[in-house]
Amino acid sequence: AQSVAQPEDQVNVAEGNPLTVKCTYSVSGNPYLFWYVQYPNRGLQFLLKYITGDNLVKGSYGFEAEFNKSQTSFHLKKPSALVSDSALYFCAVLSYGNNRLAFGKGNQVVVIP
Amino acid sequence: DVKVTQSSRYLVKRTGEKVFLECVQDMDHENMFWYRQDPGLGLRLIYFSYDVKMKEKGDIPEGYSVSREKKERFSLILESASTNQTSMYLCASSLSVVGGLDTEAFFGQGTRLTVV
Repeated sequence: AQSVAQPEDQVNVAEGNPLTVKCTYSVSGNPYLFWYVQYPNRGLQFLLKYITGDNLVKGSYGFEAEFNKSQTSFHLKKPSALVSDSALYFCAVLSYGNNRLAFGKGNQVVVIP
Repeated sequence: DVKVTQSSRYLVKRTGEKVFLECVQDMDHENMFWYRQDPGLGLRLIYFSYDVKMKEKGDIPEGYSVSREKKERFSLILESASTNQTSMYLCASSLSVVGGLDTEAFFGQGTRLTVV
């Protein structure tokens, strides 16, 4: 069964600094990888995905993520964090032919003004 | 835009009650999911369905059942609500992963259920 690890509970970053949120995964077969964001009292919003092709994928709100097959990682990045980026971020994975979507525990990102 | 609608934002039920949480999607998606979200535990999959009348257990199916009689609707049922089922419940839908690239899931706003 597929699984996701998000090793840090909270990431603190100063506004304007680069933001990185880490994710590693375990799946049999080729992975489909996703990042979602959740603002307080809201559902999850899709940010970006990796299915195939270029290892660096770009998504909404200036976020990007890099797929690294050898390290089984899919870290989320943003070059310059905004206070409005403060939210809960979830990494998710599924494998081709398996519709079961597994999530990590989430990372609380706090951007300090 | 895809819309996933959950019938209630907030719900308070008594211990032992039978509780129905309804979810409707308008994009003809094959897959539908029910998750519960608890602080520090992330999203845990309760059940998912990949077609009408088809369902598979997720990681924490105990105490729950589901129904999918129509493609657009996926219901989560708490047969006899207990206080440890107090949680945020999230419904999601997606296209089938087989042969497609548009596989991201779309989420409803969530139902915060309190069992007293």
